[in-house]
Amino acid sequence: GQNIDQPTEMTATEGAIVQINCTYQTSGFNGLFWYQQHAGEAPTFLSYNVLDGLEEKGRFSSFLSRSKGYSYLLLKELQMKDSASYLCAVRDSNYQLIWGAGTKLIIKP
Amino acid sequence: DAGITQSPRYKITETGRQVTLMCHQTWSHSYMFWYRQDLGHGLRLIYYSAAADITDKGEVPDGYVVSRSKTENFPLTLESATRSQTSVYFCASSEGSEWYEQYFGPGTRLTVT
Repeated sequence: GQNIDQPTEMTATEGAIVQINCTYQTSGFNGLFWYQQHAGEAPTFLSYNVLDGLEEKGRFSSFLSRSKGYSYLLLKELQMKDSASYLCAVRDSNYQLIWGAGTKLIIKP
Repeated sequence: DAGITQSPRYKITETGRQVTLMCHQTWSHSYMFWYRQDLGHGLRLIYYSAAADITDKGEVPDGYVVSRSKTENFPLTLESATRSQTSVYFCASSEGSEWYEQYFGPGTRLTVT
């Protein structure tokens, strides 16, 4: 079967750095996405990785290792508005997105 | 308004009733998707469409029907609602099936009593 694993919840302090991990086992791989979802709102796109390595976009970076079936999202200089759920999704061999259950990130002052 | 919209935003219905959730996008994206989101689960694909008049089943299609007569609209119908269909439903669109990101509508919170 296909599976995406993420921690259910993480807590971090304002101004700090947090790393949210995602491991996947899917039938094929055609890219990995990270989305942010604030409570009661729609998911919004953060990043896309298809090749191994680090993609940096402002305070957010995303890393991929295809051989390990592993990705992480790194959030720097945390702000209160970063409190949200972070969803990892993998595009499989049929170009369908397989979604993890999401990681709820709580930021404390 | 530009973007992707869903209606209604909230709906309460009774078991056995037919319900239609509407989705409209103004970008002329070729792909559209319907997901449901339940606590403890990732987003689960119900149906998707690659173009007008082309639809296909996703992971959890049972009990749902879709149509796409126009590129911009992709309604989802629950033919006979059941309590297990209580969920938040998201519609999404994208330009293509490959690396393109998906843009999500605001969601419809459906409660079946």
